[in-house]
Amino acid sequence: EPEVTQTPSHQVTQMGQEVILRCVPISNHLYFYWYRQILGQKVEFLVSFYNNEISEKSEIFDDQFSVERPDGSNFTLKIRSTKLEDSAMYFCASSESAPIAGRINEKLFFGSGTQLSVL
Amino acid sequence: SQQGEEDPQALSIQEGENATMNCSYKTSINNLQWYRQNSGRGLVHLILIRSNEREKHSGRLRVTLDTSKKSSSLLITASRAADTASYFCARVSQGAQKLVFGQGTRLTINP
Repeated sequence: EPEVTQTPSHQVTQMGQEVILRCVPISNHLYFYWYRQILGQKVEFLVSFYNNEISEKSEIFDDQFSVERPDGSNFTLKIRSTKLEDSAMYFCASSESAPIAGRINEKLFFGSGTQLSVL
Repeated sequence: SQQGEEDPQALSIQEGENATMNCSYKTSINNLQWYRQNSGRGLVHLILIRSNEREKHSGRLRVTLDTSKKSSSLLITASRAADTASYFCARVSQGAQKLVFGQGTRLTINP
């Protein structure tokens, strides 16, 4: 079965540094998402992306965060100046169609995540 | 908040028993999905139920949806040790372009 690939699996960075988390969604998927999960807590929505623009974003996704689909296959999440509280597992996901009623294939496919540790 | 509650937060049962996990939500939904997460791994989609459906089956999984009570349940029958994982319900609210996850239930199946 096709899968979403995320790199790196672990990233350690110093507070204030920029990080870029990379994802390769499933090739025929059109909608892309980033979620994060702080250890032991719930999975939190960050942003959804379609047609080269953000569809929706959460309160967490402030000016320090940005997403990009630079080359038609990669989907990246950039954190400009990391804070301690950004330490979490970051999950990329993709879906073939938007998660609204009446569409098929509304499930999301998740990558294995990037564990970000900010020191 | 669109996020609801899942209960129990943790459930420990013997292999072979049935496991039931519940999910409640606050806003109207288009569909509700259940996902599974093994420790430290990504989420895997299990089953989707639409707002006009009341019950759905997939193998040993049975999902119900009661939109009047804004609640759903996931039943795993004849549990196996390999079912040990965290289970999350996730809602797509009407008009939203995102899937919102609940807190999850940590299920442990004891051999």
